Formats: sequence, structure tokens, C-alpha cells
Amino acid sequence: EAAVTQSPRSKVAVTGGKVTLSCHQTNNHDYMYWYRQDTGHGLRLIHYSYVADSTEKGDIPDGYKASRPSQENFSLILELASLSQTAVYFCASSAQGKGGQLYFGEGSKLTVL
Amino acid sequence: SQWGEENLQALSIQEGEDVTMNCSYKTYTTVVQWYRQKSGKGPAQLILIRSNEREKRSGRLRATLDTSSQSSSLSITGTLATDTAVYFCATDGGTGGLSGKLTFGEGTQVTVIS
Repeated sequence: EAAVTQSPRSKVAVTGGKVTLSCHQTNNHDYMYWYRQDTGHGLRLIHYSYVADSTEKGDIPDGYKASRPSQENFSLILELASLSQTAVYFCASSAQGKGGQLYFGEGSKLTVL
Repeated sequence: SQWGEENLQALSIQEGEDVTMNCSYKTYTTVVQWYRQKSGKGPAQLILIRSNEREKRSGRLRATLDTSSQSSSLSITGTLATDTAVYFCATDGGTGGLSGKLTFGEGTQVTVIS
């Protein structure tokens, strides 16, 4: 079974503060993703990475940075957290050319006050 | 948006009944994936259907894809209480439909009452 671990699972941050969400996968997958989910809605792609040391912008990248220092680790960084970034964030990984299936972590609930 | 203007839909059914949920998409795609998300968990893929398949089955699940009407459906037969979850359809924006850059629909909340 694929394993994607996110930390922290829950965080409260202040407006204007810096937040880092971390993701670690043990699947040996090349592809990793960060998605955002607002209450009652589907997920939206923020950033993704197909190889270590390289990241790409997804559909809603504004206000977010990403870092992929190794194949296993992928971080999402909010330099200046805002109220509108309150959401649940999901990390996922997938194997290149292996049917497109994403394996998701259990999510990180971020509340910005 | 890639999807029609539907909000999160909700269905309540009795255990043992069958249920079908639908979604439509705006942009041409060759692959539709269905995911299930249980409360407090990340989504988990249920089934992936390609444009040349039209219908695909996996256990109690049946997915259809109609590229002419740009719609897909997911049916669950003989529902169980453990099927209670939100179900999402998703299209892949990459070439060949395998990039992982998914666009999710708003989802259908299915509650199975035992």
C-alpha cells in the first residue's frame, strides 16, 4: 500500500506568518502534488513536481511556494499566510506512467486567524 | 471551471440499494477517474475509465464515460454502510490523461443508512 505522510496534521497560524507543510512518501514515486480542499468542494492543484529539485505551478499557485529537495519529500510554503488560505491541504504521489492513480495523504488542516 | 456549475450534491439511501452519481465536464478528456473520500481522510481512487472503454467494472462499482456528451457516471450496487463517503470525479489535464494534474468535480455526498 502506498504511503504518503503529511505533517503537521493540523495547524493554527496567524495572518502574515509563515507556514510550512511537509510531505513524505515511501512509494518511490517520481511525481508529487499539493492540492487544496475548501469545505464542501473538490480539490484544486496548487503545485506539483515530476523530479527532485524542480517544481511547477498548478491551477492556483498564488500565495504558495513549493520545494522538492528529494524524491521522497515535498513541502508547501506559505510565506505570508492569509485568512483565505484556511483549508485542508493534501499531498499526493503517483508513479510515472502507471495509470495516473494518485495516492493521497490524510491531509493537513490549516486555520489562519 | 472544467466542470458544470454543480455544487456538492447529497444522496441518502438505504443499505442494499443501488446508487448512481453523475458528472459532466467542459473540456475534452480521454480519462476520467473516480475517487472516494471518507470523513477526515484523503481521497482514494476507485476506478479509472478511458474514452475507448465506455464502461468499466470493479467489484460493485460500474463507471461509464460518454465523450460525446462529456459526462461520466459511477454506480454502486448493493450499497453498504461503509460506502458512506464523498465521491468525486476527476479529469486529467495532461497529455494522455496520466499527468496527475487532476481537476476535481464538486463531489457527491452519499450516506448509506443501515
